[in-house]
Amino acid sequence: DVKVTQSSRYLVKRTGEKVFLECVQDMDHENMFWYRQDPGLGLRLIYFSYDVKMKEKGDIPEGYSVSREKKERFSLILESASTNQTSMYLCASSSHAAGSHIEQYFGPGTRLTVT
Amino acid sequence: AQRVTQPEKLLSVFKGAPVELKCNYSYSGSPELFWYVQYSRQRLQLLLRHISRESIKGFTADLNKGETSFHLKKPFAQEEDSAMYYCALNMGDRDDKIIFGKGTRLHILP
Repeated sequence: DVKVTQSSRYLVKRTGEKVFLECVQDMDHENMFWYRQDPGLGLRLIYFSYDVKMKEKGDIPEGYSVSREKKERFSLILESASTNQTSMYLCASSSHAAGSHIEQYFGPGTRLTVT
Repeated sequence: AQRVTQPEKLLSVFKGAPVELKCNYSYSGSPELFWYVQYSRQRLQLLLRHISRESIKGFTADLNKGETSFHLKKPFAQEEDSAMYYCALNMGDRDDKIIFGKGTRLHILP
């Protein structure tokens, strides 16, 4: 079974803090993604990566950065957390080897609260 | 622009009644469509994909290119179907980026 793990289920941070969210997958997937999930807004793509050290902006990259130093790990960084970044953050991975008719596998999510 | 529209935020259906979750898409290429589901306290997971033409947990979805729709259907709702459902479009890029709809919460009434 593909496993995608995220470092924390719940996180509470103060405004202005630097926040690191870690995601690890164990299936040697090339592609990794960070989304935020908000009621009424669905899933919105923040950043994605299709290879080590590669990153691409998604739909809402402002206020975020990412790091992919190893294939299995994709980190999301909030340089200076703000209250409007309070959300559920989902990490996902997928393999391009199987072509495009494949699924993304999701982690359990990190619920981040910025106070 | 590519877009996935789920017109209903919430759908309440009685147990045993038919279910239809609507999804419309906008994409000029050849679409690859999926339904994802998130049960309470569980992670988001794939329910079905149009290319497989499969029935999963009694759910089916047919791609209608003329109406640009991919509605999810089940003839008889069960209480365990209560969940959040997302329709998703894969544009077939090398990075397998997916566009998700805003989701529909399905609530099965006893």
